[in-house]
Amino acid sequence: GAVVSQHPSWVICKSGTSVKIECRSLDFQATTMFWYRQFPKQSLMLMATSNEGSKATYEQGVEKDKFLINHASLTLSTLTVTSAHPEDSSFYICSATGLGQETQYFGPGTRLLVL
Amino acid sequence: ILNVEQSPQSLHVQEGDSTNFTCSFPSSNFYALHWYRWETAKSPEALFVMTLNGDEKKKGRISATLNTKEGYSYLYIKGSQPEDSATYLCALKGGSNYKLTFGKGTLLTVNP
Repeated sequence: GAVVSQHPSWVICKSGTSVKIECRSLDFQATTMFWYRQFPKQSLMLMATSNEGSKATYEQGVEKDKFLINHASLTLSTLTVTSAHPEDSSFYICSATGLGQETQYFGPGTRLLVL
Repeated sequence: ILNVEQSPQSLHVQEGDSTNFTCSFPSSNFYALHWYRWETAKSPEALFVMTLNGDEKKKGRISATLNTKEGYSYLYIKGSQPEDSATYLCALKGGSNYKLTFGKGTLLTVNP
């Protein structure tokens, strides 16, 4: 149980384009979803927290207009990187928790390369 | 900003060896300590959530202890197997915002 999928697993795009990443909870209702980013040799860094049906809460230094997060249902959250630039190239990974759960269940991540 | 440190950064052991590594964190405002096991190209797998000082949890050959007063947790693997090769992450839930702050992980390689 508690499986989270994430698509795509990797994506290459041109600078200036937008990229959408999907995060789905397959066998539980995810009341809260989290988006993290990891640069090489660094730790997972929280970008934003989203509760189903509400606007996402962004961490300090994360541009909400650049990283659009939608959590419209209890099983799906999306992260859209708008007008991507090479410095946005990174590993993006989502996690999800159900109501009252402490454990965050992670997807496998998406590697983004912006050329 | 919470500082979560993991040591060593990487570790090579032989099959059958027992091993352990450390997660250090600020002891103030502690709420919970999470351990994850992350194999390449897979999702991080939740191992333990620890909340009480002195707590010890076990899952098969893997166990973990927690000392919230001095700010550290140990993860132990008994009789390491090649399939234990992975990055082991710890994450602290504490401070004013109760979000997970991750360490950089310990990369374990078990040689057959």
